[in-house]
Amino acid sequence: NAGVTQTPKFQVLKTGQSMTLQCAQDMNHEYMSWYRQDPGMGLRLIHYSVGAGITDQGEVPNGYNVSRSTTEDFPLRLLSAAPSQTSVYFCASSFFPGTGNEQYFGPGTRLTVT
Amino acid sequence: EDKVVQSPLSLVVHEGDTVTLNCSYEVTNFRSLLWYKQEKKAPTFLFMLTSSGIEKKSGRLSSILDKKELFSILNITATQTGDSAVYLCAVAGAGSYQLTFGKGTKLSVIP
Repeated sequence: NAGVTQTPKFQVLKTGQSMTLQCAQDMNHEYMSWYRQDPGMGLRLIHYSVGAGITDQGEVPNGYNVSRSTTEDFPLRLLSAAPSQTSVYFCASSFFPGTGNEQYFGPGTRLTVT
Repeated sequence: EDKVVQSPLSLVVHEGDTVTLNCSYEVTNFRSLLWYKQEKKAPTFLFMLTSSGIEKKSGRLSSILDKKELFSILNITATQTGDSAVYLCAVAGAGSYQLTFGKGTKLSVIP
């Protein structure tokens, strides 16, 4: 049971480049989400999904796309990277969306956009 | 819009001290409040408090929820250097699929 996995761990992009951050979980969780964490800002929700084929926006969705074709995978796409997207990105998953049940976090991806 | 405010933002204590971390919140139709510990990696779950469980304890850590005054505290007794971390508070509203996090309290425990 690997829990929540994320790849890559580190990434450097140039402004305007695109990339996909990968997230996978093997706990059969319905709910998956992406957060970004900036110094002094806590965790801010980017996008979330309550099941395969269902996604919705969080607090800071601009510049990011998601899709959920399977229960296990929830990739985050940066369409045209900007320096403001330099951050640490965490993927999380849990059962029973909306009940406040414990979310399991992946190890994070540190992204730098130059 | 849901809101979580944690205080203090940072705290430095000596080993053996007792600390209290604060979390106040505003949320539509409160469902639960969660505490996480974050060292130099992903947050790890500590406690979840709900209307039916307003007090939790695990070893030297304990937490209470005051639903009337809309706040929670996290207590750590006999602190150790391994308690050094950022402690995050989050709330979930009924019918919402989102957790709203506070900015965290950075605790530093020095020998």
